[in-house]
Formats: sequence, structure tokens, C-alpha cells
Amino acid sequence: AQTVTQSQPEMSVQEAETVTLSCTYDTSENNYYLFWYKQPPSRQMILVIRQEAYKQQNATENRFSVNFQKAAKSFSLKISDSQLGDTAMYFCAFMMLRSEKLVFGKGTKLTVNP
Amino acid sequence: NAGVTQTPKFQVLKTGQSMTLQCAQDMNHNSMYWYRQDPGMGLRLIYYSASEGTTDKGEVPNGYNVSRLNKREFSLRLESAAPSQTSVYFCASYGTWAAETHQPQHFGDGTRLSIL
Repeated sequence: AQTVTQSQPEMSVQEAETVTLSCTYDTSENNYYLFWYKQPPSRQMILVIRQEAYKQQNATENRFSVNFQKAAKSFSLKISDSQLGDTAMYFCAFMMLRSEKLVFGKGTKLTVNP
Repeated sequence: NAGVTQTPKFQVLKTGQSMTLQCAQDMNHNSMYWYRQDPGMGLRLIYYSASEGTTDKGEVPNGYNVSRLNKREFSLRLESAAPSQTSVYFCASYGTWAAETHQPQHFGDGTRLSIL
């Protein structure tokens, strides 16, 4: 069974600084997707960024980027120029290509301080 | 475009009461899901439905039943609510075509359920 581990239950960062959230996963599959979701206090699940396992290039979306290390099964999220609106729970998630089920990590609570 | 709609948004039940959480999607997706979210546990899959008329257990199915009424609707029922089922419940949908465009599951806004 696939598992996703987020080893940082809580993190904080000063506004405008950079922070990196860690995620590791365990799978024997070769074709899969990885995602980072943001959940603000409003409770919505918002997709931040996605990475296809067959792509070697790391995904980027504006201030958000990932460091995808397939051999190490690591998928960290870097947030640059942190903003107060980035305060939220962040979940790492895994999905096999042949399955449509997401497996989530337990989340990291990020607080951006002014 | 409403996406995934869950009702109700909040509910308080007494132990032993029954309740059905409703979910509907308007994106013509084949697959639908029910998750529960508990503090420190992330989202865990309760049940999913790969297509109309089919359902399958996820990681934490005990105490729940589901019904895929049609392609749009997927309901979650608690027959005899227990305090351990106090949680936030999310419905999600996913279209098989989405694999080509690598779109993730679409989530509803969640239902906060408290069982006293």
C-alpha cells in the first residue's frame, strides 16, 4: 500500500521569507502523480501544484515550486516570498495512474508571521 | 459552474441518530469519493464509487454506508452515529478523462459533523 509522510506537523515563517515543506512517499509503482493541496481556515481544498512522476523537470507555479527526487521518493514544496495568505494546512498527496484514489499525508500547519 | 456541492455544511447529532450526507457534482465525472478529515490524520478515504452503480470500501468504511444514486449523486449514510464519527467530511469527484490532462480530484466544501 502507498503511504505518504509529512514529518513536520507545524512550521512558521516570516513574511517575505522562503519555507520548504517536506514530503516522502512509499510506492512500488513507476507511474504516478504527486500533489500539494492547501487548506486555509475556510476548509476548502485548493490544489497548489502537481508533478507527474515521468517528468524530470520540477513543477513550478508562481511562488510555489517542488523538489521532486524520484529515487529518494521525496517531494518537497518550496514557498518563496511567503505571504500572510499562505497561512494554511498543506497536504501532500499521491495518486497512481492506474488508480483514481488519492492518498494523503497528515498535513503540515504553516503559519506566516508578519 | 457549481462543481461539487455538499449538504449540509454543519450538523449536530446525538449518539444513535442516523443521517445522510448528500453530494452532487455537475462535471459529468465517473468517480466520486467520501473522505473524513480528523486533526492530525489528514484525509482518509471512507468509500468511493468508480462509476454509477458501483461502490467500494476505502481505508475507514466501518459505520458508514454509501449509495451512488446516479452519475451525479453520491450519498454517505451514518445508520447509528457514534462520537468517534465526529469529523469533517469531504466529497470529491474525478473524471476518467482527467487522467489525460492530469487534473486532480475536485472537492466539495466539506460538512462539519458533531456527534454528542
